[in-house]
Amino acid sequence: NAGVTQTPKFRVLKTGQSMTLLCAQDMNHEYMYWYRQDPGMGLRLIHYSVGEGTTAKGEVPDGYNVSRLKKQNFLLGLESAAPSQTSVYFCASSYVGSRNEQFFGPGTRLTVL
Amino acid sequence: DQQVKQNSPSLSVQEGRISILNCDYTNSMFDYFLWYKKYPAEGPTFLISISSIKDKNEDGRFTVFLNKSAKHLSLHIVPSQPGDSAVYFCAASVGDMRFGAGTRLTVKP
Repeated sequence: NAGVTQTPKFRVLKTGQSMTLLCAQDMNHEYMYWYRQDPGMGLRLIHYSVGEGTTAKGEVPDGYNVSRLKKQNFLLGLESAAPSQTSVYFCASSYVGSRNEQFFGPGTRLTVL
Repeated sequence: DQQVKQNSPSLSVQEGRISILNCDYTNSMFDYFLWYKKYPAEGPTFLISISSIKDKNEDGRFTVFLNKSAKHLSLHIVPSQPGDSAVYFCAASVGDMRFGAGTRLTVKP
């Protein structure tokens, strides 16, 4: 099992550009999450999904959109990147029964110039 | 506002000694607490958790203590090993999970 994988691992964008981060999990988890990690801030929840076709806002959703067209994939989109979105992004997934015990991917380091 | 706080950004201990990592929270509605461990260039991995109906949970060398009246959580690692050197995140949940900023633990041989 690969667990949770994220693509790409690194990316540099210019202000105003768009991009999509891909998260995939092979554990048949119902729940999936996108977090961002900034220095001194811990991980903050951007959006999450409790099942295929459903998404919901987390703590810091502005400037991001998500889609969960397939159970195993969760996409995070930035329509018009801003320097404030420079961060490390982590995807996670969990079973319904142990919702809070999340399995994390290795992260994507995004720099917006 | 940060509802989960880890006030010590770093901690250094000698191999074989006890490591104590602390965490405070402000939201009395949190009903489940977790610790995650993170190595460089990897995602966090779940370490141990505790429900709000308990005050202690133990798993091998790792013990988590919960003091609800003080809104305080701690992780004890005994004995500490060099491989425990990592960043430790405290997290609390009532639905959404909120994370602390992390404490970098260094265990010296």
